[in-house]
Amino acid sequence: AQSVTQPDIHITVSEGASLELRCNYSYGATPYLFWYVQSPGQGLQLLLKYFSGDTLVQGIKGFEAEFKRSQSSFNLRKPSVHWSDAAEYFCAVGARGGSYIPTFGRGTSLIVHP
Amino acid sequence: DAGITQSPRHKVTETGTPVTLRCHQTENHRYMYWYRQDPGHGLRLIHYSYGVKDTDKGEVSDGYSVSRSKTEDFLLTLESATSSQTSVYFCAIMASGGEQETQYFGPGTRLLVL
Repeated sequence: AQSVTQPDIHITVSEGASLELRCNYSYGATPYLFWYVQSPGQGLQLLLKYFSGDTLVQGIKGFEAEFKRSQSSFNLRKPSVHWSDAAEYFCAVGARGGSYIPTFGRGTSLIVHP
Repeated sequence: DAGITQSPRHKVTETGTPVTLRCHQTENHRYMYWYRQDPGHGLRLIHYSYGVKDTDKGEVSDGYSVSRSKTEDFLLTLESATSSQTSVYFCAIMASGGEQETQYFGPGTRLLVL
């Protein structure tokens, strides 16, 4: 079975600063990997996903993530954070071969200071 | 948003009353899911469906039942609501096929059980 760890419960950054949110996974092969964002009172929106190929994945809203097999990580990055990026971010891992039940991390809450 | 709607969006009910939440999708996806989201617990899977009349339990299924009589609708029922079922409920679908196994979420239903 797969598992996901988001080590940081809260992250605080200043507007305009760079951002990196950590995600570590456990799975016996190369998994499917996802990042979602949830703004207050909203549902989860897909930011980006990795299935295969280029390990640097570009997403919406200026986010990117890099799959590092050797570190079992899929960290989310943004070069310059905007106040509107304040939200909850969830990493998720899905198993290849059709289990169809992804595993979600507990989430990281991003706070943006002006 | 993958054409997912949830109804009602907000509900207040009393302990012991039955409650049914509806998830409707417009794109004929085979897999549908119900999650609950609570502070400190992240997303927890309640039930999921892999086809009409085909459902299975998730990690927190006690006190909940589901039904799927049509591809487009997935109903979650609390037979006798309790205060511990106060939560935000999210429906999700999985777009599948090849490297498209990605979950998309509905806007959520906020349920308060008094």
